[in-house]
Formats: sequence, C-alpha cells, structure tokens
Amino acid sequence: GAVVSQHPSWVICKSGTSVKIECRSLDFQATTMFWYRQFPKQSLMLMATSNEGSKATYEQGVEKDKFLINHASLTLSTLTVTSAHPEDSSFYICSATPALAADTDTQYFGPGTRLTVL
Amino acid sequence: QKEVEQNSGPLSVPEGAIASLNCTYSDRGSQSFFWYRQYSGKSPELIMFIYSNGDKEDGRFTAQLNKASQYVSLLIRDSQPSDSATYLCAGAAGPGTYKYIFGTGTRLKVLA
Repeated sequence: GAVVSQHPSWVICKSGTSVKIECRSLDFQATTMFWYRQFPKQSLMLMATSNEGSKATYEQGVEKDKFLINHASLTLSTLTVTSAHPEDSSFYICSATPALAADTDTQYFGPGTRLTVL
Repeated sequence: QKEVEQNSGPLSVPEGAIASLNCTYSDRGSQSFFWYRQYSGKSPELIMFIYSNGDKEDGRFTAQLNKASQYVSLLIRDSQPSDSATYLCAGAAGPGTYKYIFGTGTRLKVLA
C-alpha cells in the first residue's frame, strides 16, 4: 500500500517551454501533497504544500507564477514549470500523506521526475 | 529557526556490523520523526517512523527517540552492502502539521 507515482520519470525540454509533472496516489486518498526539488548531492528542498481544492502554499523564495501547482482531486496533483530555463534542471519529487490511516502524517514519496532544460 | 542536523558522513562500516546514524533537532514541538533511505538518483523510501520515547524495532532496523535530549537515531544491524545509501532524518514541523523539516542526510557505506 501507499504507492505514489509520478509521470513522466524524465523529461528533456527546450528553454522557454513549459513542462507538466503529474503526481498520483495510487491506492489511497491524499490529504496533502508536497513538491520537492533536489539538486545533485544536496538534500530535498520543499517547494510547496498542496491541499485538494485550495491554493498551494509556497516556500519562501519559490516563485508561484513559475511553478504552478494544481491539486484537482484527492489523488492527483500537478506541477507545471513555466518558461523553463537551464537552471530549473533538477530532480522533482512529490510526496503524499494518507487521508485516513494511523500514520496520517507520514509522507510517501513518488519516484521523482528528472527535468533537463536545454 | 527549526533545524534537523545530521552528520553528512560518509560513515563506513564493515559488512555484518551495526551502523549507527544520529540526528538532533531543535524544535521541542516536533512530535513525529521519520527515517528515509535514498539511493543515488532515486527518491526517498520510508524506513520507519517513531512518535514515542524509547526504541522501535522493525527487522534489522531500530529507531530510538529521546525527546528530553532532542535526538533520534537509527541502528542498522547486520549491515549489508545494499544498505549503502543516504539516510535522511525528518521531523514533523509541529503538532498537527504534515510538513517535514529534513536533515541533510548521512551517507552510509557498507564495505564488503
């Protein structure tokens, strides 16, 4: 149980284009989903917290107009990197917390999406 | 500022030994703590969580929590080369919140 998927697993795009990454909880409904970014040899950096049906809460320094988050249902959240540039190249990872479970504050991570912007 | 601190390592242990990973946290309001394993190029996978003072065992893994001293540890018994990875410690940012504060991770190397 508690499986989270991400799609695509990797993407290469040209500078200036937009990229959408999907995060799905496959066997549970997620109260909250989180989006992280990780650069090589660095720890996870939380970008935003996403709750179904409401606006995402962005961490300080993360541009909400550049990283658009939509949380349309209890099993799906999307992150769109708009007008991507090479410095946006990174490993993007989502996580989700189960809505109904004994471990309601446990985050289960998706496999990540590696974005390369040329 | 709320922080979770870990020694970055690498921590090298011989195969079959006990690996001891430590983590300290600054926020006394943190109630829940989590250990994740992350292989290079992969996303974190949950090893175990702990809420109460004392020890919690799951197979070869034992998590220990001491709220008075504000530290959390993870022991890995009978370490295997496949345990070589970065281990991330995380604390919930406060009661009733799902947001984590992550440590920077400890890189573990198990030598065959």
